[in-house]
Amino acid sequence: AQSVAQPEDQVNVAEGNPLTVKCTYSVSGNPYLFWYVQYPNRGLQFLLKYITGDNLVKGSYGFEAEFNKSQTSFHLKKPSALVSDSALYFCAVRDGGGSSNTGKLIFGQGTTLQVKP
Amino acid sequence: NAGVTQTPKFQVLKTGQSMTLQCAQDMNHNSMYWYRQDPGMGLRLIYYSASEGTTDKGEVPNGYNVSRLNKREFSLRLESAAPSQTSVYFCASTGQGLRTDTQYFGPGTRLTVL
Repeated sequence: AQSVAQPEDQVNVAEGNPLTVKCTYSVSGNPYLFWYVQYPNRGLQFLLKYITGDNLVKGSYGFEAEFNKSQTSFHLKKPSALVSDSALYFCAVRDGGGSSNTGKLIFGQGTTLQVKP
Repeated sequence: NAGVTQTPKFQVLKTGQSMTLQCAQDMNHNSMYWYRQDPGMGLRLIYYSASEGTTDKGEVPNGYNVSRLNKREFSLRLESAAPSQTSVYFCASTGQGLRTDTQYFGPGTRLTVL
């Protein structure tokens, strides 16, 4: 069965420092991976996705993610954190991988990112 | 383009009451989804509709029913609300390319069952 794990409930970083939010996955077949961000009292916003191709994926707001097949990881990164990046971040994997015909996503439990001035 | 809209934004129910959460999308998407979000548990899929005229159970369907009214609208009904259904509910939709397309989310409905 497909699954996603976000091992950290919260990540704290100082403004201007690089940030990493971790995600590991377990899928059968090719993994289709996504990152979403949720600001307080808002819906989820799409940041980036990995379907195929380059292992480094660039997304919105200066975020990027590195796909590592051998470590089954898809960590979210940003070179220089902003206070406004403080939010809840979700990693997700397409249920069924490349063979899925339903589009369902399986979400990790979320990681709260706190960027301090 | 409004994207995905949900009504109501907030609702308080008493145990045993019923209600319907509405969702609509204007992106001509085929597939629509209902999730619930609870602290520390991420988002869990309640029901989904891969295409107009079809609905299927997700991970946590008990206590809920859905209707895919047309291509735009997908409603979620609680027939007899229970305190365990206190949650934030999100609707999402995705387009033609189910394998690769992104899901787009509505702003959510915060439901409290007393």
